[in-house]
Amino acid sequence: EAGVAQSPRYKIIEKRQSVAFWCNPISGHATLYWYQQILGQGPKLLIQFQNNGVVDDSQLPKDRFSAERLKGVDSTLKIQPAKLEDSAVYLCASTPGDTQYFGPGTRLTVL
Amino acid sequence: GENVEQHPSTLSVQEGDSAVIKCTYSDSASNYFPWYKQELGKRPQLIIDIRSNVGEKKDQRIAVTLNKTAKHFSLHITETQPEDSAVYFCAATGLSGSARQLTFGSGTQLTVLP
Repeated sequence: EAGVAQSPRYKIIEKRQSVAFWCNPISGHATLYWYQQILGQGPKLLIQFQNNGVVDDSQLPKDRFSAERLKGVDSTLKIQPAKLEDSAVYLCASTPGDTQYFGPGTRLTVL
Repeated sequence: GENVEQHPSTLSVQEGDSAVIKCTYSDSASNYFPWYKQELGKRPQLIIDIRSNVGEKKDQRIAVTLNKTAKHFSLHITETQPEDSAVYFCAATGLSGSARQLTFGSGTQLTVLP
């Protein structure tokens, strides 16, 4: 069974630029999560999707972050404009129930 | 919402010794508690999990115990090996509205010294 795929793996941008991350969950997993993991900390939930609907985006900084999951499969997370404090690893996870399976993450560096 | 605290933040043990990492949670409704291992630059990987209807679960050298009354759970690694060196995260699943979500601890950097 293929795992959760993410791209790109690394991204370096300057502040105020925009960036987008892509996630392809495990086939058949209805629930998809985006997390932000700052160095030395645990993953922090940004947004949760159930199929193509948003279940919880209460922790998403909506003035600069947006996410969508068209057709209930792939998802994209966008940051516009980026700030220095957005430097982190962005993890995508999917689940058929309770157990979450993580992708390799995208390491974002904002200069 | 759920709050998970994890201790210690760093742990060094000699190869062959045991390691114990402890977590507490705040939401008594939480009923699923996974542990993830994250090696440097890699994705978090599930190593063991426990549900609230079970007090202990073992998988070879790894075990997890859960005390629902005290709202704490622990990871035990016996006969540690250098490849066990990594950051370990505990998590608890609670409900935020209608959504089941994981809240993670802050992580424990385990170093196994050869």
